[in-house]
Amino acid sequence: QKEVEQNSGPLSVPEGAIASLNCTYSDRVSQSFFWYRQYSGKSPELIMSIYSNGDKEDGRFTAQLNKASQYVSLLIRDSQPSDSATYLCAVNGGNYQLIWGAGTKLIIKP
Amino acid sequence: DAGVIQSPRHEVTEMGQEVTLRCKPISGHNSLFWYRQTMMRGLELLIYFNNNVPIDDSGMPEDRFSAKMPNASFSTLKIQPSEPRDSAVYFCASSAGENTGELFFGEGSRLTVL
Repeated sequence: QKEVEQNSGPLSVPEGAIASLNCTYSDRVSQSFFWYRQYSGKSPELIMSIYSNGDKEDGRFTAQLNKASQYVSLLIRDSQPSDSATYLCAVNGGNYQLIWGAGTKLIIKP
Repeated sequence: DAGVIQSPRHEVTEMGQEVTLRCKPISGHNSLFWYRQTMMRGLELLIYFNNNVPIDDSGMPEDRFSAKMPNASFSTLKIQPSEPRDSAVYFCASSAGENTGELFFGEGSRLTVL
């Protein structure tokens, strides 16, 4: 059974601080990794994808991948109240199937 | 681009009634997914189409659920007869490739079965 694990939270972070969201996965052959943001009552929206070990930066967002440890993370710098949402980690094993985590609820406190 | 368009946004129906949800994927996207999301079970893949052909319907809960994609710009998900346990948000998503995880979701159809 392929699994993606996330801490459900809520994770509470003060405004302006770094929010760190973590995800582990069970399938060693997983090839691509995604972070989706979902605001309450809205649909998931892709914010980051990462395909190789290391860091990938996009604005205030940094995705980190460590395939040896089967670990992927998302860092949000200078957190804003508008970053408050549920963050879904998804892992692709090379076909159409995405394995989804249950999501981490992030709350940015002004 | 208009994005993935779903209708209706909200549907309230009584147990036993037929429900039809509709989706228009992004033009040029050849992969289409129907997902269901609940608090208890999270996001569940119901069915996956590639180039209008159903590839994997193993997530369809039971025979009461059916999905069609008659052309590249339209898909339906039908529940007949509906039951209260079908209450959920149903998302349609499309992607430009067959094996990509970069999905574009519609706004969802919130279904309540009384």
